[in-house]
Amino acid sequence: DAKTTQPTSMDCAEGRAANLPCNHSTISGNEYVYWYRQIHSQGPQYIIHGLKNNETNEMASLIITEDRKSSTLILPHATLRDTAVYYCIVAHTGANSKLTFGKGITLSVRP
Amino acid sequence: EAGVAQSPRYKIIEKRQSVAFWCNPISGHATLYWYQQILGQGPKLLIQFQNNGVVDDSQLPKDRFSAERLKGVDSTLKIQPAKLEDSAVYLCASSLDLGQTYGYTFGSGTRLTVV
Repeated sequence: DAKTTQPTSMDCAEGRAANLPCNHSTISGNEYVYWYRQIHSQGPQYIIHGLKNNETNEMASLIITEDRKSSTLILPHATLRDTAVYYCIVAHTGANSKLTFGKGITLSVRP
Repeated sequence: EAGVAQSPRYKIIEKRQSVAFWCNPISGHATLYWYQQILGQGPKLLIQFQNNGVVDDSQLPKDRFSAERLKGVDSTLKIQPAKLEDSAVYLCASSLDLGQTYGYTFGSGTRLTVV
């Protein structure tokens, strides 16, 4: 599976949009981009995934560049409860696929 | 639906002792995963089951770690003997089937401290 690169940390103000970047320059054609997050003392939680089109759900939006070498997770109105480690993962969906986590990016939402 | 249940929540043992963790996945989920998460790092996959068969255990330190999922539902992960470097959170996850990488549901984990 392709590797991803994320900044170590970032912060944003409560109520503002949080834009979390991810680079995945070696992504292959059949690999999806997944985002999971891990709130303190909990297991990771699925947020969103996409192949090449932008995606939106009740939690977030995922913007994937046209060349698919990078993506941005957008939390439109960050709250204090969004403070967590966010993992960007690239993986295919074949039978032997599995999630391989990096260190992720720590998002701190400040009041 | 009920989530992935893990127990115990916390465990402290001395090095060279043995310990076991238990996981009950979401009902109907065929695929079960055990991850190890050392402080400050992302989770690392130890072993993956499909029903009661092992799909991937390439990252499992088999000299001291073992895992089973005898009836294709609950699973146990054992460490014997434990080392200081085994101190970590052990996370269990399940998904409906193989390849459902968007559908992993994780438990809250067992925090192991080896002293």
